[in-house]
Amino acid sequence: EPEVTQTPSHQVTQMGQEVILRCVPISNHLYFYWYRQILGQKVEFLVSFYNNEISEKSEIFDDQFSVERPDGSNFTLKIRSTKLEDSAMYFCASSEGQATTNEKLFFGSGTQLSVL
Amino acid sequence: AQTVTQSQPEMSVQEAETVTLSCTYDTSESDYYLFWYKQPPSRQMILVIRQEAYKQQNATENRFSVNFQKAAKSFSLKISDSQLGDAAMYFCAYRSADSGKSTFGDGTTLTVKP
Repeated sequence: EPEVTQTPSHQVTQMGQEVILRCVPISNHLYFYWYRQILGQKVEFLVSFYNNEISEKSEIFDDQFSVERPDGSNFTLKIRSTKLEDSAMYFCASSEGQATTNEKLFFGSGTQLSVL
Repeated sequence: AQTVTQSQPEMSVQEAETVTLSCTYDTSESDYYLFWYKQPPSRQMILVIRQEAYKQQNATENRFSVNFQKAAKSFSLKISDSQLGDAAMYFCAYRSADSGKSTFGDGTTLTVKP
């Protein structure tokens, strides 16, 4: 089965530094998402992206966050100035069609971000 | 805003037995989708089963089935013939038909005893 690939699997950074989390969605998918999960807490929606635009974003996704699809395959999440509370597992997901249908979301295996 | 509640932080089951995980949700919408995801220790999110709210028939996927009670806003997951590999965190999730966003519950940690 095709997979969503996320790199790196672990990222350690100093508070205030910029980080870029990378994702390669499944090749024929058109809708992309970022979620995060703080250790021991629920999975939270950050942002959805379609046609090179943000479709929807949560309150968590403030000005410190941005997403980009720099080429035909990668989908990135940038955090400009990391805070301690940004430490979490970040999941990328993609779907072939709109998630407003019963479309299946495929999740990557996550990037564990640790902010020191 | 929609909320999803999983009232059982932890559950355990004997291998080969059946276990039911509870999930309730709150919404004013009539059209939506419900999902159960499995998260093993590797922390990857794996879709187990999904249900369309407009369908009365409960979804089944091999040993996994749901009991969807729309009026009660309840969506429980039944795992039959439990296997050691079923041990994981299970998340119930809600997705509106108007939004691509999924809302997750707090999760239930399932232990399978040999």
